[in-house]
Amino acid sequence: QVQLQESGPGLVKPSQTLSLTCTVSGGSISSGDYYWSWIRQPPGKGLEWIGYIYYSGSTHYNPSLKSRVTISVDTSKNQFSLKLSSVTAADTAVYYCARERHDYSITFDYWGQGTLVTVSS
Amino acid sequence: EIVMTQSPATLSVSPGERATLSCRASQSISSNLAWYQQKPGQAPRLLIYGASTRATGIPARFSGSGSGTEFTLTISSLQSEDFAVYYCQQYNNWPPWTFGQGAKVEIK
Repeated sequence: QVQLQESGPGLVKPSQTLSLTCTVSGGSISSGDYYWSWIRQPPGKGLEWIGYIYYSGSTHYNPSLKSRVTISVDTSKNQFSLKLSSVTAADTAVYYCARERHDYSITFDYWGQGTLVTVSS
Repeated sequence: EIVMTQSPATLSVSPGERATLSCRASQSISSNLAWYQQKPGQAPRLLIYGASTRATGIPARFSGSGSGTEFTLTISSLQSEDFAVYYCQQYNNWPPWTFGQGAKVEIK
């Protein structure tokens, strides 16, 4: 059973960089069968796809965030990470990491529990 | 970017009754649509993909239909565990993949 777990600071100051890591267990990021995504959800609001990374390091980002987002992968640790720069209060959200499949569909079949990141001074 | 619009925002239904949720895409997405269920404090769970195919382990009371721009999620007989927020997601055009704003199914 694949499990994903987000970790990182729950509080980030405005203009700083948000950094989160997702640790994957029960499966290898390096298998190449899946993509690995970040999705966020502002309190009481809907879901926004941030971007994904493939084990090779290939990435694709949401154009609305592209200038501020970097997703990286560490296959030796079976982890992938998110960095979001120049954050504002609008970036306050629950951040989820998820496994993105690209076979019969492009969907998110395993998710982490999510971690709330608050942007505040 | 494709905009996904869900309706109604909230649906009040009694246990055992049928619930029907709608999702509309701003342009045709063929059958490239998924549905998710989210309960408070939990991550979303994949229910349906390809507009009508149930994901592994999803009960048969959940069904999806539609193509092009109009889609429907039907829960045939609501159980207590089905009261939640439901999201549609398109994967026809990217980037980005986009979600609807969500529809809450609450107990009447």
